[in-house]
Amino acid sequence: QVRLVESGGGVVQPGRSLRLSCDASGFSLRAHAMHWIRQAPGKGLEWVAVMSFDENDKDYADSVKGRFTISGDSSKSTLYLQMNSLRVEDTAVYYCAREGLGPLNDAFDIWGQGAMVTVSS
Amino acid sequence: DIQMTQSPSSLSASVGDRVTITCRASQDIINYLAWFQQKPGKAPKSLIYAASSLQSGVPSRFSGSGSGTDFTLTISSLQPEDFATYYCQQYNDYPLTFGGGTKVDIK
Repeated sequence: QVRLVESGGGVVQPGRSLRLSCDASGFSLRAHAMHWIRQAPGKGLEWVAVMSFDENDKDYADSVKGRFTISGDSSKSTLYLQMNSLRVEDTAVYYCAREGLGPLNDAFDIWGQGAMVTVSS
Repeated sequence: DIQMTQSPSSLSASVGDRVTITCRASQDIINYLAWFQQKPGKAPKSLIYAASSLQSGVPSRFSGSGSGTDFTLTISSLQPEDFATYYCQQYNDYPLTFGGGTKVDIK
């Protein structure tokens, strides 16, 4: 069964760091680009970061560029989001999502259940 | 950045109704448009990709159409499990962007 499970969320003070994990099962991370998307409480969805299937290409939303780093360990089938210099406005549920394969089908097709990150003093 | 505008932001409908949600992109995105459904406290679920192709397992009462800048999600006969918030998203260019969402609730 294809599945994504996030972990590592919690409460952290502004300026501190946190690392989220996304465990993938039922498919190989080496075959798909992977993304992080977040949703602040009561708000809409915001794309955060992407990593290509071969981990060579990465891109970030301007709001997190220079502070967040996406990475992966295909041997562990795990995607990561290292979040540094956290701000109150980073408070959100963070989802990992798989990108589909095939012409035009590089939309998100599988989502994890989400991990809550609260940045507060 | 490509702006995605959904309308309406909310609507009330009854079981069996035909529901239409529109999404407009601020520039041509060809048909790199996806639709998602989200229920309270749950992760989004992928419904449609490439503007009109159903993801595996999605009921056929859902359909999508459009190209360029104007797109539509239609639910042909609303079912109780369809009451949720729907988002469109463009994946033609980075940064990927979402519409603001359309909440469908019970009339």
